[in-house]
Amino acid sequence: EDQVTQSPEALRLQEGESSSLNCSYTVSGLRGLFWYRQDPGKGPEFLFTLYSAGEEKEKERLKATLTKKESFLHITAPKPEDSATYLCAVAPQLTSGTYKYIFGTGTRLKVLA
Amino acid sequence: ETGVTQTPRHLVMGMTNKKSLKCEQHLGHNAMYWYKQSAKKPLELMFVYNFKEQTENNSVPSRFSPECPNSSHLFLHLHTLQPEDSALYLCASSQEGRGGYGYTFGSGTRLTVV
Repeated sequence: EDQVTQSPEALRLQEGESSSLNCSYTVSGLRGLFWYRQDPGKGPEFLFTLYSAGEEKEKERLKATLTKKESFLHITAPKPEDSATYLCAVAPQLTSGTYKYIFGTGTRLKVLA
Repeated sequence: ETGVTQTPRHLVMGMTNKKSLKCEQHLGHNAMYWYKQSAKKPLELMFVYNFKEQTENNSVPSRFSPECPNSSHLFLHLHTLQPEDSALYLCASSQEGRGGYGYTFGSGTRLTVV
């Protein structure tokens, strides 16, 4: 069964304290892995797409990496405005003409000033 | 206007009411989705429309009824809901068929059933 597991469930960091969020997945063929940021009361906002093991993407203080079993979202020197829930999703290989993305439960990040 | 727009942003309805959620995308995408988001649960896929054809109904109760009149608009008709249906309902769109680019989400409708 296709599955996505994110850890930790919640993370509190001091401003400037770097850390990583984990997304482990099992999927029958990977079309893509996605990271989203979600602020309270809002829809998820797209951050990155990764397609193959070894790929890396960067945006400001965020860097996403991908292996065959997991992805990491590295946050370097975070600021309070980075506080949000970070969601990971995978797109399995297409079956029966249906596009389905499988989401994890997210990591709630709080960065303290 | 760009992106994915959902209306209303907030909705309070009684269990005997009928209401509709609206979603509009201005991105030229060919697939649209309804998701339910409840606290501490993964996003739950409800319906998928690919080129206006419904390709997925993820065992959703019949009190939720989707409608996709064209590739830019998606509705979710609600009737005789239960309190456990209270959640954030998210609409998303994507351009599928050429590698997959992930979703663009709307801001969601916060639904409260009383």
